[in-house]
Amino acid sequence: AQSVTQLGSHVSVSEGALVLLRCNYSSSVPPYLFWYVQYPNQGLQLLLKYTTGATLVKGINGFEAEFKKSETSFHLTKPSAHMSDAAEYFCAVTERSVGGSYIPTFGRGTSLIVHP
Amino acid sequence: NAGVTQTPKFRVLKTGQSMTLLCAQDMNHEYMYWYRQDPGMGLRLIHYSVGEGTTAKGEVPDGYNVSRLKKQNFLLGLESAAPSQTSVYFCASRDRNTEAFFGQGTRLTVV
Repeated sequence: AQSVTQLGSHVSVSEGALVLLRCNYSSSVPPYLFWYVQYPNQGLQLLLKYTTGATLVKGINGFEAEFKKSETSFHLTKPSAHMSDAAEYFCAVTERSVGGSYIPTFGRGTSLIVHP
Repeated sequence: NAGVTQTPKFRVLKTGQSMTLLCAQDMNHEYMYWYRQDPGMGLRLIHYSVGEGTTAKGEVPDGYNVSRLKKQNFLLGLESAAPSQTSVYFCASRDRNTEAFFGQGTRLTVV
């Protein structure tokens, strides 16, 4: 069974500061890992994903995440926060399962607050 | 491409009323999902489908039914709405090796 834990329901940073949103997962098989962003009153949009290959993945809007198998983590970072980054961020995992149902499981979300 | 389209976008129901939420995708995806989003709870899976004519229960299926008669459509039904079903509902679709694509959500209030 798979599960996702996002540490911190709210993260507050100053504009220009480093953004770090934490995600740990559990999975019985090698996973696909995703970060999504949700702006107010909108659906979820993909920020980046890890499926295979390079463990450091780059996404849109300057975000990146690193898959660390030994730590079962997939933390999201951005070197310099912008006001427009204020949103809800969700980490998700899907198990690679031959013949399986490929159900995306989501963390509870982290609200990123950016101060001027 | 429209992607994933949900209708309606907003709805207010009285307790005990019924309604159907429609999700349509134009990407020929096999897998479709219905989630509900509540504050502090993230997205919780209600029902899902792995192909036309198939459905399965997710984490919180009680009080909901679904149907997938056509590959592109996934319907979520509430037979007798309850205030606990006040939520934002999201439909998503994907193929095996892709990310999930989401609709814009349906905000449902049950009074």
